[in-house]
Amino acid sequence: QKEVEQNSGPLSVPEGAIASLNCTYSDRGSQSFFWYRQYSGKSPELIMSIYSNGDKEDGRFTAQLNKASQYVSLLIRDSQPSDSATYLCAGPNQAGTALIFGKGTTLSVSS
Amino acid sequence: DVKVTQSSRYLVKRTGEKVFLECVQDMDHENMFWYRQDPGLGLRLIYFSYDVKMKEKGDIPEGYSVSREKKERFSLILESASTNQTSMYLCASSLVQQGVYPGSNQPQHFGDGTRLSIL
Repeated sequence: QKEVEQNSGPLSVPEGAIASLNCTYSDRGSQSFFWYRQYSGKSPELIMSIYSNGDKEDGRFTAQLNKASQYVSLLIRDSQPSDSATYLCAGPNQAGTALIFGKGTTLSVSS
Repeated sequence: DVKVTQSSRYLVKRTGEKVFLECVQDMDHENMFWYRQDPGLGLRLIYFSYDVKMKEKGDIPEGYSVSREKKERFSLILESASTNQTSMYLCASSLVQQGVYPGSNQPQHFGDGTRLSIL
C-alpha cells in the first residue's frame, strides 16, 4: 500500500522567513507530485505540480523532488500571514488511477 | 480556469434518508472523484470515475454509491444516511493525459465542498 506522509505540525515561522514543508512517499516508482493549500473551512487549492527530479519555482514557492530519497518538499520564501494554512502533499495511488494525499502540515506565519 | 461546482455548501439530513450530492465540472475532464475529509483522517477517496457510466471503488466505498450519466456530472449517493457519514465531502476532477490512462499524473481540481450533517 502506497503511503504519503507529512509531519502534521504546526510549523510556526515569522513573517518574511522561509517555510519548509516536507513529504515522504513509499513508492520509488511514483512520478508526479502535487502540493495543495487548504485554508480552514475551504477546499484544497493546487499550488504546485512537480514531475521530475530537481526544483521547480513559481513565484515565492519552490517544489523539490528527490526520487532517490523519496521525498518532496515545498519552500515558501518571504512567508506572509496569508500563507497560514494546511499544506497537503499528494502522489499517485497503488494502481496509478488516483491520488493519495498526506494528512497535511499546518503552517502558521506570525506577523 | 477549471470550475468544479458542488450543489450545496451545507446540508442537514436525518438518519435513514437517501442523500444525493451533485458535482459538475466545466472543463471536459475525464476523471472525477469523491472524497470525504475528517479531522485527523485527512482526505479519503470514496469513489472515482474515469468515463461516463464507469466507476471504481476507492478506499471507503461502503454505504455510498455513485452515478455518472454525463461526462460533466458525478453524483454521490448515501443510500441510507448514518451519523458516521457526517463529514466534509469534496468533489474533484482531472484531465487524462494523452497516452496515460486513466492517469494519476495530472492534478485534481476541487469544488468548494459540501459540509453534510446527519442527525
